[in-house]
Amino acid sequence: GDSVTQMEGPVTLSEEAFLTINCTYTATGYPSLFWYVQYPGEGLQLLLKATKADDKGSNKGFEATYRKETTSFHLEKGSVQVSDSAVYFCALRFDNQGGKLIFGQGTELSVKP
Amino acid sequence: GAVVSQHPSWVICKSGTSVKIECRSLDFQATTMFWYRQFPKQSLMLMATSNEGSKATYEQGVEKDKFLINHASLTLSTLTVTSAHPEDSSFYICSARVPGNTEAFFGQGTRLTVV
Repeated sequence: GDSVTQMEGPVTLSEEAFLTINCTYTATGYPSLFWYVQYPGEGLQLLLKATKADDKGSNKGFEATYRKETTSFHLEKGSVQVSDSAVYFCALRFDNQGGKLIFGQGTELSVKP
Repeated sequence: GAVVSQHPSWVICKSGTSVKIECRSLDFQATTMFWYRQFPKQSLMLMATSNEGSKATYEQGVEKDKFLINHASLTLSTLTVTSAHPEDSSFYICSARVPGNTEAFFGQGTRLTVV
């Protein structure tokens, strides 16, 4: 079945370090891909998305490119801040399935000053 | 953006009792709401999709008689865990979809502990 796999956390970085969180997916067809972020004590928020191959989603300095050939959607940020500490979820969705999301297991990021 | 409120944020209950979790869309009408469950260190797993005014659609392996979902209005869906057992302890999170928009907005989740 369709699935999403993320790199395991926790990931601990120093402020201003480069961030990569790997995400790969298995799907029959061409889903839309998403990154959600969950800050402590809050709900999931959409961080960025891409709906077709080679699309790049970006927001708040984060980027991810939809790579069909490697079935990946890795999240990157050039310089992380303490405020980026959160749990990040990669997800896929088929638009003809009513908005149902399939999530990865989440990756906890901790950024130290 | 659209706001979804989930209540309670955490609850502890005794085995055999039932627990109700509410999911409200505060500033929009949600024709569709989704209920997810998350075990520690694991993915959010979709439990069911609820559509206002009709029966929920449950994912394979989810017991509909144990996890009762009611979506009686355009702003409220409830999940009731009936006859809870310790293995039902988990993090439950809802999301709601704005009509005409496939984006979904999430509640903050409910941590259920059954003792």
